[in-house]
Amino acid sequence: DAGVTQSPTHLIKTRGQQVTLRCSPKSGHDTVSWYQQALGQGPQFIFQYYEEEERQRGNFPDRFSGHQFPNYSSELNVNALLLGDSALYLCASSLRGRGTEAFFGQGTRLTVV
Amino acid sequence: DAKTTQPPSMDCAEGRAANLPCNHSTISGNEYVYWYRQIHSQGPQYIIHGLKNNETNEMASLIITEDRKSSTLILPHATLRDTAVYYCIVREPNNAGNMLTFGGGTRLMVKP
Repeated sequence: DAGVTQSPTHLIKTRGQQVTLRCSPKSGHDTVSWYQQALGQGPQFIFQYYEEEERQRGNFPDRFSGHQFPNYSSELNVNALLLGDSALYLCASSLRGRGTEAFFGQGTRLTVV
Repeated sequence: DAKTTQPPSMDCAEGRAANLPCNHSTISGNEYVYWYRQIHSQGPQYIIHGLKNNETNEMASLIITEDRKSSTLILPHATLRDTAVYYCIVREPNNAGNMLTFGGGTRLMVKP
């Protein structure tokens, strides 16, 4: 059983560009959340998707957007990249319900130059 | 979700028990305590969670005080592979499992 998979593992972008990151949830999971983790800090919640809609959002600007597909996979899009967007982007999946734990992918390391 | 406070770092000798404390004095009655860890350059890994009672699984034990204002994660026989950042998180039950508020965590260094 594959866990949470993310692609790509690494990428480098230039300031002002746009980027799309992808996540496939663990089999049987229907909820996906995205996190940004700057170097030396804990992950920060960006947003959560369930039933193809954004359900919760953290304190991130509108440059960060997402999508969830009918097969529960998800994309994170970041427009107008800034140097400060350089971070590890993590995807977590779970089965919506009480007391369930989240499973995280290995992340995508984004470097903005 | 309630906030948590953890020491920034701890050391533990290999083979000894590692006891990682967490304060969550503003926890409400229906909030769970979760523990995750993050080994360098990997995604966080779920360890254990509990509501009121102490819990044990193959990875660790979780001891929650009677007033639920603090908890301790116990790794009974720490190995070098347990070196990681450990996060204590308090979460509402209606919060879908993957919306988590991470603090700074405790960086555990297991030494030979």
